[in-house]
Amino acid sequence: NAGVMQNPRHLVRRRGQEARLRCSPMKGHSHVYWYRQLPEEGLKFMVYLQKENIIDESGMPKERFSAEFPKEGPSILRIQQVVRGDSAAYFCASSPGQGWHTQYFGPGTRLTVL
Amino acid sequence: AQKVTQAQTEISVVEKEDVTLDCVYETRDTTYYLFWYKQPPSGELVFLIRRNSFDEQNEISGRYSWNFQKSTSSFNFTITASQVVDSAVYFCALSEASTGNQFYFGTGTSLTVIP
Repeated sequence: NAGVMQNPRHLVRRRGQEARLRCSPMKGHSHVYWYRQLPEEGLKFMVYLQKENIIDESGMPKERFSAEFPKEGPSILRIQQVVRGDSAAYFCASSPGQGWHTQYFGPGTRLTVL
Repeated sequence: AQKVTQAQTEISVVEKEDVTLDCVYETRDTTYYLFWYKQPPSGELVFLIRRNSFDEQNEISGRYSWNFQKSTSSFNFTITASQVVDSAVYFCALSEASTGNQFYFGTGTSLTVIP
């Protein structure tokens, strides 16, 4: 009865490199959400995906960030050409449906950009 | 405008004291959902409770209780007889029926329980 899985738990990148964060939702959940938590702040919504579809990306930065949730495999949050300001904890959540359903969070990926 | 406000940034209490964490929210929706999550030092987010806007009954779960008052747009969380293991950052969150997909989180309250 595994929960939401995220890997890696910690990721270190140098400026200009790419970061790939993976998220496997809970069994039976087809809705995935990504949030970013900057130091000393609450979580901010980034994107909501269902299998093969981006439903809401209103919180995604316009450049360098992308997300996907393929038919098979985990959801991927991709950050190209990382900058120091991208250093944060990135949380993935999943739910069995949208809206009122409780979102269950993974342990997060801590990204550090040197 | 901040949809969820947690005015208390940090709270310290001595073990066995009671402590209340405040949460004030703002929404124009008549249907919405409120949540509390706990983030211990290990960093993961642990779901504690969900309430919908039509159910103002207070809830108690062991040492935890929640007071939902629509009249003041508040959803406060009380820990009775606090323990060291309660030390964590606690987040209040709001989900609106109209936007549905995203949760709006407060900035969190860092609780330290001193033995």
